[in-house]
Amino acid sequence: GESVGLHLPTLSVQEGDNSIINCAYSNSASDYFIWYKQESGKGPQFIIDIRSNMDKRQGQRVTVLLNKTVKHLSLQIAATQPGDSAVYFCAENESAGGGADGLTFGKGTHLIIQP
Amino acid sequence: DAGITQSPRHKVTETGTPVTLRCHQTENHRYMYWYRQDPGHGLRLIHYSYGVKDTDKGEVSDGYSVSRSKTEDFLLTLESATSSQTSVYFCAISENRPNTEAFFGQGTRLTVV
Repeated sequence: GESVGLHLPTLSVQEGDNSIINCAYSNSASDYFIWYKQESGKGPQFIIDIRSNMDKRQGQRVTVLLNKTVKHLSLQIAATQPGDSAVYFCAENESAGGGADGLTFGKGTHLIIQP
Repeated sequence: DAGITQSPRHKVTETGTPVTLRCHQTENHRYMYWYRQDPGHGLRLIHYSYGVKDTDKGEVSDGYSVSRSKTEDFLLTLESATSSQTSVYFCAISENRPNTEAFFGQGTRLTVV
């Protein structure tokens, strides 16, 4: 069936470097995407979202890029800090479905920050 | 955490017993969701609600039922708990379709022994 997944389960980066977390999706009808951050013992925390009519969106220290041609999503974190250590999930939704269907989540990438 | 409270936060129960988890929100958001999170599966949707007394099934609804008698409360019931329902359960809320900026609670860790 349709799925959203991540290329790498673990990503280790040096503090201060930029991080790039990738996500592939297979539902060509998906038109809304979200990145979540989940710290140990906590619920997922919204980071940034993007709609399919955009290919880039920037937030504070984060940028999401969407390539609809290859169905690929990425999250870029600038100047990575120790507090960025967490599991990052991409999620997607097909709004044209007409209902309140929940998000479809990828399995997550664990971002580890090296001092 | 966007005014979402899940209770209990931890529970251990025996196989075959009924269990009810509660999600309470103070944001007056229309949409509420229950997800479960398991290693290797990420978060999967169990049930969702788009208003009082309006609920529908998600991806993994077997063995679960829900009720929403008030805007602020969304209950998840395991009628007869099984070991396969050991998981961390998250409630989420959102104001607009399609589940934009869904906010999550802190989770309930349920262990069925």
